[in-house]
Amino acid sequence: SQQGEEDPQALSIQEGENATMNCSYKTSINNLQWYRQNSGRGLVHLILIRSNEREKHSGRLRVTLDTSKKSSSLLITASRAADTASYFCATTERQGNNRLAFGKGNQVVVIP
Amino acid sequence: GAVVSQHPSWVICKSGTSVKIECRSLDFQATTMFWYRQFPKQSLMLMATSNEGSKATYEQGVEKDKFLINHASLTLSTLTVTSAHPEDSSFYICSARPSQGANEKLFFGSGTQLSVL
Repeated sequence: SQQGEEDPQALSIQEGENATMNCSYKTSINNLQWYRQNSGRGLVHLILIRSNEREKHSGRLRVTLDTSKKSSSLLITASRAADTASYFCATTERQGNNRLAFGKGNQVVVIP
Repeated sequence: GAVVSQHPSWVICKSGTSVKIECRSLDFQATTMFWYRQFPKQSLMLMATSNEGSKATYEQGVEKDKFLINHASLTLSTLTVTSAHPEDSSFYICSARPSQGANEKLFFGSGTQLSVL
């Protein structure tokens, strides 16, 4: 069953602005990951945050995790046109066969 | 980085025929591979978990006789859509989990767009 669930959003922003998207989940997790998908392509792993971490940075990406609220956010700073894509969060449940459950995804369009 | 090759990228077939999709990990071994289905503007739906040398584990509602999965080696898993029908038209994506090292993240193929006429 799908666990990670983003607030379904279609973000349209100007180049240079920041893009923020959120994700909520329901059960206990080992980690939460964010992936990016360009239209008609596979997914690319962006960043992983473990259940005992609260914030993590990778380049222009900043992810937060609030296990008390079972939610996460992904911030892309200084967005570029090339950041236009769909972004998915995925969770690895603490109980289960270590598979990833994907959320609905956020469509981000960065206007040059 | 790790590369997963998925072939073909797109396929058009007649109703009633079977289609095989290959998923190869090019520079790492993968004991476990996953097959997903994705409809336009929707998320990935896990269809099955493919384990090298053993039977695949199918998600609830996925017909194992319809979607045949074979994982005969540590670098190759195949999905065969048997007796395809128009409702099977979809985007199919595979992913692989490295057998060695930190293996929490998955590496994805580029997907296969299947159109059944």
